[in-house]
Amino acid sequence: EAQVTQNPRYLITVTGKKLTVTCSQNMNHEYMSWYRQDPGLGLRQIYYSMNVEVTDKGDVPEGYKVSRKEKRNFPLILESPSPNQTSLYFCASSPLTGNYGYTFGSGTRLTVV
Amino acid sequence: GENVEQHPSTLSVQEGDSAVIKCTYSDSASNYFPWYKQELGKRPQLIIDIRSNVGEKKDQRIAVTLNKTAKHFSLHITETQPEDSAVYFCAASKSRSSNTGKLIFGQGTTLQVKP
Repeated sequence: EAQVTQNPRYLITVTGKKLTVTCSQNMNHEYMSWYRQDPGLGLRQIYYSMNVEVTDKGDVPEGYKVSRKEKRNFPLILESPSPNQTSLYFCASSPLTGNYGYTFGSGTRLTVV
Repeated sequence: GENVEQHPSTLSVQEGDSAVIKCTYSDSASNYFPWYKQELGKRPQLIIDIRSNVGEKKDQRIAVTLNKTAKHFSLHITETQPEDSAVYFCAASKSRSSNTGKLIFGQGTTLQVKP
């Protein structure tokens, strides 16, 4: 089944403790992206990647890192999480040509206390 | 910068009525306009999309219209059912070959269909 898999689904952590949210897709998509969703603010892009070893900042990159060492994986790293990073996070992927609508992962609800 | 405005933010209709959600985009180079439905606690899912060379597209009870001149596009849901209750997002994008390929999302519309 074609899908984007995110883990974990829920995470509660403390301020300053490094964490990684994993994202993997099995559709051979070139494009992958991370979004955060907050009430009243919609979906805001954090980082994106056009292909392996190609990443760039989105609209709200501060406090986040990403890597794209393999085509299928695009982890989101919070080196020193803070309470303002409490949010619902979605990974998404799409091809670069043809039908380039996003496929979203199931989401990760992160709480930083 | 690029922007997509979506209205209304909330919409309540009676079952069987029609619902219309409207979006306006700022970048005239945008050529791809998807709509996503997000049920409570779930991921956004693509329900319909339209490209700039098409004025209207229909899929059963849902349809999308595009007015390139006015930079407006709209989602129309007919014969609404309680399971249509969700948050709907519009988005706009330029061709992936010419830019980052980022989808710019509207703020979302919470649709409530009352039985």
